[in-house]
Amino acid sequence: DTEVTQTPKHLVMGMTNKKSLKCEQHMGHRAMYWYKQKAKKPPELMFVYSYEKLSINESVPSRFSPECPNSSLLNLHLHALQPEDSALYLCASSQDPPPSSYNEQFFGPGTRLTVL
Amino acid sequence: AQSVTQPDIHITVSEGASLELRCNYSYGATPYLFWYVQSPGQGLQLLLKYFSGDTLVQGIKGFEAEFKRSQSSFNLRKPSVHWSDAAEYFCAVGARTNAGKSTFGDGTTLTVKP
Repeated sequence: DTEVTQTPKHLVMGMTNKKSLKCEQHMGHRAMYWYKQKAKKPPELMFVYSYEKLSINESVPSRFSPECPNSSLLNLHLHALQPEDSALYLCASSQDPPPSSYNEQFFGPGTRLTVL
Repeated sequence: AQSVTQPDIHITVSEGASLELRCNYSYGATPYLFWYVQSPGQGLQLLLKYFSGDTLVQGIKGFEAEFKRSQSSFNLRKPSVHWSDAAEYFCAVGARTNAGKSTFGDGTTLTVKP
């Protein structure tokens, strides 16, 4: 199985809601990533988990809270978001975490988030 | 700091024609280089990668890329484009000195004319 799955595909939420995005991989990868992508722009790295521990936080606002319950799962908890947070949220995984050896990242299809 | 430039924002080619997408990078040592493709509303799929060795790299879907250190380039090519190749293409560079994080170019949108 060489797939990264993400749920839900689409999410619409108000600014006072709390919601979560879920990502799953069964490739035995030891690093997992969250990216944010605005339309017609490249992905922007948000968080990296290495061996289930948060290793990189790209100064992301605290209204985004990542969680890695186990080696296959990655969640992104959302609370009090702003309309400008509307974007495609991509999850990815790689065999080894940076920087020990750089491997390709496998991306999920993304969750299209709209904040009203 | 590493950086990636994709000079062409949008390229249109006819189906069956050849394709070259340009990528220039800035990095002090040998970088790790990647090309990804993204179809509308989808995630990114790796087309090919270069870490070391042979500078001509073969990828999936009939794509290839050539690493030219002297020109700091990693251009993507395909001899005959198919309508299904229409998508957004991202070049990316990764480096151990940047905690292995990838830096993506701004992307090139490929349109294929019938």
